[in-house]
Amino acid sequence: EDQVTQSPEALRLQEGESSSLNCSYTVSGLRGLFWYRQDPGKGPEFLFTLYSAGEEKEKERLKATLTKKESFLHITAPKPEDSATYLCAVQVRNNDMRFGAGTRLTVKP
Amino acid sequence: SAVISQKPSRDICQRGTSLTIQCQVDSQVTMMFWYRQQPGQSLTLIATANQGSEATYESGFVIDKFPISRPNLTFSTLTVSNMSPEDSSIYLCSSSGTSGTDTQYFGPGTRLTVL
Repeated sequence: EDQVTQSPEALRLQEGESSSLNCSYTVSGLRGLFWYRQDPGKGPEFLFTLYSAGEEKEKERLKATLTKKESFLHITAPKPEDSATYLCAVQVRNNDMRFGAGTRLTVKP
Repeated sequence: SAVISQKPSRDICQRGTSLTIQCQVDSQVTMMFWYRQQPGQSLTLIATANQGSEATYESGFVIDKFPISRPNLTFSTLTVSNMSPEDSSIYLCSSSGTSGTDTQYFGPGTRLTVL
């Protein structure tokens, strides 16, 4: 069965304190791995897509990496506005996506 | 990326009634999806809606409870039928990107409370 596990469930950082969020997956036939950001009361906002092991993508303070079993979302020198829930999803077939439970990030000023 | 709107943004309904949620995309898309996000939880796919064919439902979701329409390439509806408090949730629609990529873009969601 396809599974996506995110850790930690919650993460509290001080402003400027860099860290990483993990997404491990067990799927057959990975087509792509996606990272989304979700603010309270809103729909998920697309951040990155990674397709193959070794691939990396960056956007401002965020950098996503992918191996054959997991993905990391690195946050460098976070700011309070980076506080949100970060969702990882894997696409296995026919555009079907399986989401992890998310990591709730809080960045304190 | 596609811009997606949903109506209503929120509603409070009585047990036993039905609610239809509308999803509008600003461009033509092949695939649209409906998800449920229960409080504090992640997204669960309800069904995939392709224009011109019957919706495909995930395990645990049935057409009688969640009928879906997809009359054209920019619009879809999800009805939550015979509601119970367990249906209280956020309902999200998404579509695949218009450039032919597989990225899904999401609407803002409909927050449903059933009393």
